[in-house]
Amino acid sequence: EPEVTQTPSHQVTQMGQEVILRCVPISNHLYFYWYRQILGQKVEFLVSFYNNEISEKSEIFDDQFSVERPDGSNFTLKIRSTKLEDSAMYFCASSEALMQGTDTQYFGPGTRLTVL
Amino acid sequence: AQSVTQPDIHITVSEGASLELRCNYSYGATPYLFWYVQSPGQGLQLLLKYFSGDTLVQGIKGFEAEFKRSQSSFNLRKPSVHWSDAAEYFCAVGPEYGNKLVFGAGTILRVKS
Repeated sequence: EPEVTQTPSHQVTQMGQEVILRCVPISNHLYFYWYRQILGQKVEFLVSFYNNEISEKSEIFDDQFSVERPDGSNFTLKIRSTKLEDSAMYFCASSEALMQGTDTQYFGPGTRLTVL
Repeated sequence: AQSVTQPDIHITVSEGASLELRCNYSYGATPYLFWYVQSPGQGLQLLLKYFSGDTLVQGIKGFEAEFKRSQSSFNLRKPSVHWSDAAEYFCAVGPEYGNKLVFGAGTILRVKS
């Protein structure tokens, strides 16, 4: 069964450093997403991406964040200058991009980001 | 604004007992509803979804959920719980157009033998 994969599974970084989280969505999917889950809190939507551009983003997704589809298989989330409060589990998801209705989103296993 | 409430943070049931996890949503239009499960160290796995039609939805692993518009609820049920069902369960709602999922806080299920 196709699945979303994410690397690395755990990333530790120093405050102020740049990190790139990587995701390989399901191959025939056209919509890509990032969510995050701070420890003990809800899973929160960050951004959705379709046709090589951001389709929707939350207020969390400020100028420190960017997403990219650098090639035909990868989807990345970059945090330019990490803060302590960026420590969270980051989930990538993908969906088929139906014409109407909320797509079923398939999630990866997550990357746990720890900012020291 | 959309919101999802899962009133139970933790639930403990005995193996073989029935289970019901509660989910209430707030949404002005037609909701699209999902239940996901997260086992320790794993990602979010889709259990089932409701888009339209029959209000009783069957999912994987023997789970089902019933959409009740009058109560704004989408409760998850299983007739007989197995120890492997111990995990955290998330209810989520999505809009009719667009793809931003809004999640509840989750319910941690513990299964005792």
